[in-house]
Amino acid sequence: DTEVTQTPKHLVMGMTNKKSLKCEQHMGHRAMYWYKQKAKKPPELMFVYSYEKLSINESVPSRFSPECPNSSLLNLHLHALQPEDSALYLCASSQAYPGQDLWSSGNTIYFGEGSWLTVV
Amino acid sequence: EDKVVQSPLSLVVHEGDTVTLNCSYEVTNFRSLLWYKQEKKAPTFLFMLTSSGIEKKSGRLSSILDKKELSSILNITATQTGDSAIYLCAANLILTGGGNKLTFGTGTQLKVEL
Repeated sequence: DTEVTQTPKHLVMGMTNKKSLKCEQHMGHRAMYWYKQKAKKPPELMFVYSYEKLSINESVPSRFSPECPNSSLLNLHLHALQPEDSALYLCASSQAYPGQDLWSSGNTIYFGEGSWLTVV
Repeated sequence: EDKVVQSPLSLVVHEGDTVTLNCSYEVTNFRSLLWYKQEKKAPTFLFMLTSSGIEKKSGRLSSILDKKELSSILNITATQTGDSAIYLCAANLILTGGGNKLTFGTGTQLKVEL
């Protein structure tokens, strides 16, 4: 099973709303990621969790709040977003042996189907 | 600043043509390069390449990395309309705390016409 599952697939929210995006994987991966992809642009890294600890925050505004409740789940809490935050939010996972890269671990980064977010 | 550049930005070909997509990178702590295909949803993994220079093949697709030129090519032979997609390359950087960071290029939009 090489599946990363994201919910919801589509979300429309107002600028004062609080919502969450959810991501789940059962591949035993210990690194999980949030990427943001605007229309006609490549994905951009937002956060990296390794062994349930936040290891990378790519200077993301605090209105995006990640959470990793356990090794299989990754959430992205959204609050007071702006219309320009509308995008495809991609969750991904991979093995995460510290100091070891994808090639050495014989693995790759698997992406979920994404959550299309529209902020109105 | 890490940079990944793809060319061409877009390409229109006819079924049966052979195409070559290019990717160059200037990345610190580079470890490998990945190719993905994206069709209006999440990127799907195609290949991972390292500085070993070994060519990867899967059906009509093949790819190789040139470590001297810091570049990679993705070849698609006998193209089909189902190959129409955005092809993304990404440089993989190792993170000391575990995990990896992908820096994506802007992508090449390929359209295959009948």
